[in-house]
Parts: sequence; C-alpha cells; structure tokens
Amino acid sequence: DPKIIQKPKYLVAVTGSEKILICEQYLGHNAMYWYRQSAKKPLEFMFSYSYQKLMDNQTASSRFQPQSSKKNHLDLQITALKPDDSATYFCASSQPGTGGLERLFFGHGTKLSVL
Amino acid sequence: GEQVEQLPSILRVQEGSSASINCTYENSASNYFPWYKQEPGENPKLIIDIRSNMERKQTQGLIVLLDKKAKRFSLHITDTQPGDSAMYFCAASSGSWQLIFGSGTQLTVMP
Repeated sequence: DPKIIQKPKYLVAVTGSEKILICEQYLGHNAMYWYRQSAKKPLEFMFSYSYQKLMDNQTASSRFQPQSSKKNHLDLQITALKPDDSATYFCASSQPGTGGLERLFFGHGTKLSVL
Repeated sequence: GEQVEQLPSILRVQEGSSASINCTYENSASNYFPWYKQEPGENPKLIIDIRSNMERKQTQGLIVLLDKKAKRFSLHITDTQPGDSAMYFCAASSGSWQLIFGSGTQLTVMP
C-alpha cells in the first residue's frame, strides 16, 4: 500500500506539449521534493517544499513549475516539453528535524517519454 | 555544482562474500549521508543512513563508515546474497533541503 502516490505511472508526450505530474503523500510529512532520474544523471534534485513553500530549487529552467495545493500534495507542471525531459520523475517526502535533512522516502515515479 | 563521487560503478561478488562501495563528498558542511537501494523499475529505498556525529553504524548485515576529515563514507554489505543484487546510491546532504546523489553502483551477487 504505497504511502506516496504518483500519477500517472507512465506518460508519453509530444514535443512542445505540457503535462502535469501528480504527487500525494500520506506519511504526514511536512516536506516534499521532486527528483529526476535519467541515464545521464542518475538521481538529480529539482525542488524542495516545506509547508507548501519553496525551500530550494536546482532546476534552471522555468518550464518546470511545482504546484502545492495542499500540504501533502506537490505536483510538477512541465511546459514546452523537449525530448531531453524524458526521465523518471520521483516525488519524495520527509519530516524535517532540527538537525536538518531527515530520511527521504520516494514514490514509485512517473516515467515520462517525450517524442 | 557540488558532486558526490561513487566507486565502483560496477561490482560483482561471490555469494557469501562482502561488498564495499565508497563515496566522497565536497561540502564540509554535509551532515547526513543515506544509502539507497534501487531494483529495476522500482523506486530508491533507504537502507541505512548516518549522521556526521557518528563514525560507524551497523544494521542487519550493513555497515556504514564515515570519515569526515577525508570527506569519505562507505557501505559494506557482509555475507552478500543474490537478493542484494541491485543498484546502490550514496548521497550527501547539501544545506537542509537537498541530497546530492552519487552516480550509483550496480552490484551483482553471483551464486
């Protein structure tokens, strides 16, 4: 019974289109993240949110926009899709502690293919 | 940007032997070092982690060592089994909100 739900599991898109990747977590965590995994870059940090606020961002392109409608939701909107965006996108969550980063738990990912 | 170097990229060991994976990091402020195991088509799963206030941690056949002076940490899997075959990733914290991952080690345990 997955506690971090990502939808859809697989996604095929055409170049130039826009897609939204959905993530909901039921672990009661306050922080949520997006990571990307491709053959070129195994696990690459994209965004972190805490209490629905952006805390860190390593994604240079404004085509990637996180959207948090609730504390346990963090969707990822990707516009003007390019073939290079093809990757598996993992959502993760954690319960931050006073000592800094705590254990991250990953969802099962959305595998995006851009044709 | 910051990097975590992970070696070896491919590791083949005989069942029952030990496997060791080494990682080095750049940021002396990194204070959290997790290890993840990922099987084909699956998500990365946390298997063990260590904080900078420790030098060694052990759990269920896994040992993690941390040398802060050398900015090096390692995972040792004792008594390997075929079920240990997977991709392993090390990571180091960068600030309070992100992990920098190594490039992964593909471990194969041969019967």
